[in-house]
Amino acid sequence: AQKITQTQPGMFVQEKEAVTLDCTYDTSDPSYGLFWYKQPSSGEMIFLIYQGSYDQQNATEGRYSLNFQKARKSANLVISASQLGDSAMYFCAMREFGGYSTLTFGKGTMLLVSP
Amino acid sequence: GAGVSQSPSNKVTEKGKDVELRCDPISGHTALYWYRQSLGQGLEFLIYFQGNSAPDKSGLPSDRFSAERTGGSVSTLTIQRTQQEDSAVYLCASTSHNANTGELFFGEGSRLTVL
Repeated sequence: AQKITQTQPGMFVQEKEAVTLDCTYDTSDPSYGLFWYKQPSSGEMIFLIYQGSYDQQNATEGRYSLNFQKARKSANLVISASQLGDSAMYFCAMREFGGYSTLTFGKGTMLLVSP
Repeated sequence: GAGVSQSPSNKVTEKGKDVELRCDPISGHTALYWYRQSLGQGLEFLIYFQGNSAPDKSGLPSDRFSAERTGGSVSTLTIQRTQQEDSAVYLCASTSHNANTGELFFGEGSRLTVL
């Protein structure tokens, strides 16, 4: 079973609008972390935001916020006031903190921001 | 160096040849990961090192793939008898598990093309 599911292969948004990128996850470990990475066309992986499973508040980093709904096992990324430079592939990822654990990625969502 | 360094950045090889890809992680990072990203796809986990040992090598696709890490630093991913389906970008990442978030810092990848 997939541990990270991103159901939107592609999303379109107009500049200055907000957009939500969906991510659901599956784990039985009570301690885990959720991550979002951005991959522009140049290929580098850029860390955006982190949410720990025990964090009480939703994480925010500038224009990025993570809508963490633990009971629903969802960790959606919200980008406010989209910019042309936000056009990129976005990956949701999870690490389970029990034992050895890798960072498992979803298949990604391609976001295109139009003027 | 300041970031994760990978070499070569591009490698074109003929089917059946062996290739070595190198990763130099951020100094002091104990954990090192190899991922593979095929064109337009997500990140596929290959192997994880903690120090010089590999607690998780479950992602290596076949026995043609091997990796080692020496001195708790540089890692080499070796692909023997390359096949066309090995063509992908191979990404290396490192992290310090003492970090609160445990985010991964990625290199720019080695693009492998097998003719």
